[in-house]
Amino acid sequence: DVKVTQSSRYLVKRTGEKVFLECVQDMDHENMFWYRQDPGLGLRLIYFSYDVKMKEKGDIPEGYSVSREKKERFSLILESASTNQTSMYLCASSRGQRDYGYTFGSGTRLTVV
Amino acid sequence: QQPVQSPQAVILREGEDAVINCSSSKALYSVHWYRQKHGEAPVFLMILLKGGEQKGHDKISASFNEKKQQSSLYLTASQLSYSGTYFCGTGGGYSSASKIIFGSGTRLSIRP
Repeated sequence: DVKVTQSSRYLVKRTGEKVFLECVQDMDHENMFWYRQDPGLGLRLIYFSYDVKMKEKGDIPEGYSVSREKKERFSLILESASTNQTSMYLCASSRGQRDYGYTFGSGTRLTVV
Repeated sequence: QQPVQSPQAVILREGEDAVINCSSSKALYSVHWYRQKHGEAPVFLMILLKGGEQKGHDKISASFNEKKQQSSLYLTASQLSYSGTYFCGTGGGYSSASKIIFGSGTRLSIRP
């Protein structure tokens, strides 16, 4: 069964900490994405990557960075966590084709205290 | 620009039909539809590409009107398993590396 795996289901961090969220896919997909999901706002794109070491900003990149050193792994980094970054974070991947849907991970619920 | 979904929420009895709409202020090249059950990841339903096509499987189908920059998802003879939040995602670029922007979702509740 094909998978997108996020390393943690729940995470609690303190304000100011550097936080790493990891995502691994086993489908050899070219594209990978990080979204955050908040009630009433849907899924908002933070960053995406269409190739190793390539990244592009999404709609809400402020306060975040990403790393993609290997094709299967896409990491989201919160440089200095703040309480307004408390959210559900979803990773997704897809083939590099226009007619291909996304496969999502189960999400990481991050709470910043 | 985030696409606008309507309605925001709908409650149906089992067996009734539903239509969920998705509209964008930008030209569209593709529209994705996903369903998310509570506490789970969104699951891909279908994708429609520029060309005004209609797609469907089982009792769930969708249409794409590129002139109106709209897509609609049709759920026929709804089942309890159709409950969840439905998201449309719109793509504005031709490249396979183009991003998808999601709407805020439509919560569908099916009652026996």
